[in-house]
Amino acid sequence: EAGVTQSPTHLIKTRGQQATLRCSPISGHTSVYWYQQALGLGLQFLLWYDEGEERNRGNFPPRFSGRQFPNYSSELNVNALELEDSALYLCASSILSGGGTEAFFGQGTRLTVV
Amino acid sequence: SQKIEQNSEALNIQEGKTATLTCNYTNYSPAYLQWYRQDPGRGPVFLLLIRENEKEKRKERLKVTFDTTLKQSLFHITASQPADSATYLCALPFGSSNTGKLIFGQGTTLQVKP
Repeated sequence: EAGVTQSPTHLIKTRGQQATLRCSPISGHTSVYWYQQALGLGLQFLLWYDEGEERNRGNFPPRFSGRQFPNYSSELNVNALELEDSALYLCASSILSGGGTEAFFGQGTRLTVV
Repeated sequence: SQKIEQNSEALNIQEGKTATLTCNYTNYSPAYLQWYRQDPGRGPVFLLLIRENEKEKRKERLKVTFDTTLKQSLFHITASQPADSATYLCALPFGSSNTGKLIFGQGTTLQVKP
């Protein structure tokens, strides 16, 4: 069974540009979670999507947004990139909506803003 | 606000010894607690989940305890091996257990020397 897949693996963007990151959850998982892991800051919760709807978001500005498609895959968009957006962006999925069970993480997208 | 603390200093132990990692939390009563392993540049991998009504949980060489009075979880790796070297993260649900949001500790890096 395929795990959570993320693309691209690495992404280099210039300040002010937009970045689009993609995630495919494990088959059968309807919930997708996005986390940011900046150097020295640990994992910070970004967004939770379930059944195509945004269910919760963390303390990030509105230029961080996303969506979930009918096949439960998800996209994270970061507009007006800033240098401090450079981080590892991790996507996770779980079989239960909202938590209470293990989260399966992808390998992440390393975003570098120059 | 809810806060999780893990020992930020790296833990260095000799192969064959038991590693004990600590996770302390404040200002709430989580329904469960999770432990993850993360290798450099990779996404976290789920290890164990322990619920508030469970005192202890085991999986092969791993053991987790959950003391809701002390607001602390201990994570033990017995008969440690160099392959156990990694960063270990504890995670708790934010607020109620089904918000989809996990709060992660900063992680403790374990180095097992042969």
